[in-house]
Amino acid sequence: EPEVTQTPSHQVTQMGQEVILRCVPISNHLYFYWYRQILGQKVEFLVSFYNNEISEKSEIFDDQFSVERPDGSNFTLKIRSTKLEDSAMYFCASSRDSGANVLTFGAGSRLTVL
Amino acid sequence: GESVGLHLPTLSVQEGDNSIINCAYSNSASDYFIWYKQESGKGPQFIIDIRSNMDKRQGQRVTVLLNKTVKHLSLQIAATQPGDSAVYFCAEISNTGKLIFGQGTTLQVKP
Repeated sequence: EPEVTQTPSHQVTQMGQEVILRCVPISNHLYFYWYRQILGQKVEFLVSFYNNEISEKSEIFDDQFSVERPDGSNFTLKIRSTKLEDSAMYFCASSRDSGANVLTFGAGSRLTVL
Repeated sequence: GESVGLHLPTLSVQEGDNSIINCAYSNSASDYFIWYKQESGKGPQFIIDIRSNMDKRQGQRVTVLLNKTVKHLSLQIAATQPGDSAVYFCAEISNTGKLIFGQGTTLQVKP
């Protein structure tokens, strides 16, 4: 069964450092998403991406965040200057259609900011 | 504003019993809901969905009930098994197509 893969599985970084989280969506999917989950809390929407541009972003997705699809397979989330409160699990998801019902999530990347 | 919430943070059941996980939503305009299962160390996994023109939908050992009058959603798991132990999230689809997740209920299955 096709999977969304994410790397790294866990990253520890110092506050103020840049972090790039990588995702390989399912190959025939066209819509890409990042969600995050702070420990013990619900999963929160960050951003959606389609046709090489952001479709929608939440208030969490401020100027410190950016997304990119640098090639035909990767979808990245960059945090320019990490803060303690950025510590969370970051989930990438993809879908073939625009309806979220066919969203497939990756296993997540745990980011720990010290 | 939009919000989706769950009534109980933790539900503990005996193996073989039926489980019922509840969810309340606030946006009466929502017309599509999904239950996700999240096992430890994994991403959310789609379980079952329901549209607002239905009040019940059944899958394999799972049933989702939707009561639009009181804006309540429930997930019923029949004959709960140890493998069902996970966090369960309800989610609604916003009018822009993004998922809005509830807080999550941890289901613990006792042998």
